[in-house]
Amino acid sequence: GQNIDQPTEMTATEGAIVQINCTYQTSGFNGLFWYQQHAGEAPTFLSYNVLDGLEEKGRFSSFLSRSKGYSYLLLKELQMKDSASYLCAVRDGDYKLSFGAGTTVTVRA
Amino acid sequence: ETGVTQTPRHLVMGMTNKKSLKCEQHLGHNAMYWYKQSAKKPLELMFVYSLEERVENNSVPSRFSPECPNSSHLFLHLHTLQPEDSALYLCASSPGLADYNEQFFGPGTRLTVL
Repeated sequence: GQNIDQPTEMTATEGAIVQINCTYQTSGFNGLFWYQQHAGEAPTFLSYNVLDGLEEKGRFSSFLSRSKGYSYLLLKELQMKDSASYLCAVRDGDYKLSFGAGTTVTVRA
Repeated sequence: ETGVTQTPRHLVMGMTNKKSLKCEQHLGHNAMYWYKQSAKKPLELMFVYSLEERVENNSVPSRFSPECPNSSHLFLHLHTLQPEDSALYLCASSPGLADYNEQFFGPGTRLTVL
């Protein structure tokens, strides 16, 4: 089966930086997604990596190393509204996404 | 607003009831998905439709029955559910099934089975 691991919870202070790691062991690899999900709301797309390296989008960056089966999502200049669950998902076949259980990030003032 | 709507947002039903969840996407997408999200567990893919044809039935019990009458609408018919089926049911859509296509999620239906 597919195995996608990410920490359950992380806490950080407003204005700080937090890095959420994701490791995966899947039968195939066709890209890795990060989604943000606020409590009671829909997951929303943050980033997509299919090649090794860093993708930057404003305050959020995502990194991928395919050889290590590893990705991270970097959140900079944390704001209170960044408190949410962050989901790592791997496309391991034609269209299937296998998700991690999510990392709940709490931003404190 | 993500362009994917789901109704109802909350549903409480008994084990002998029959109910349906509805999903509608206003994005002109060709693929639609049902996921189950239980507390502290990964999202589980249940069904995938592409151009109204089912392409994935991920070993889901027959008490869950999907229907896709057109590319904008997706239903999940529920009957004789069990308490362990209580979860958040998420619908998603994407332009197609291609690798790079992100999925757009609806807000979900919070289902409680008594």
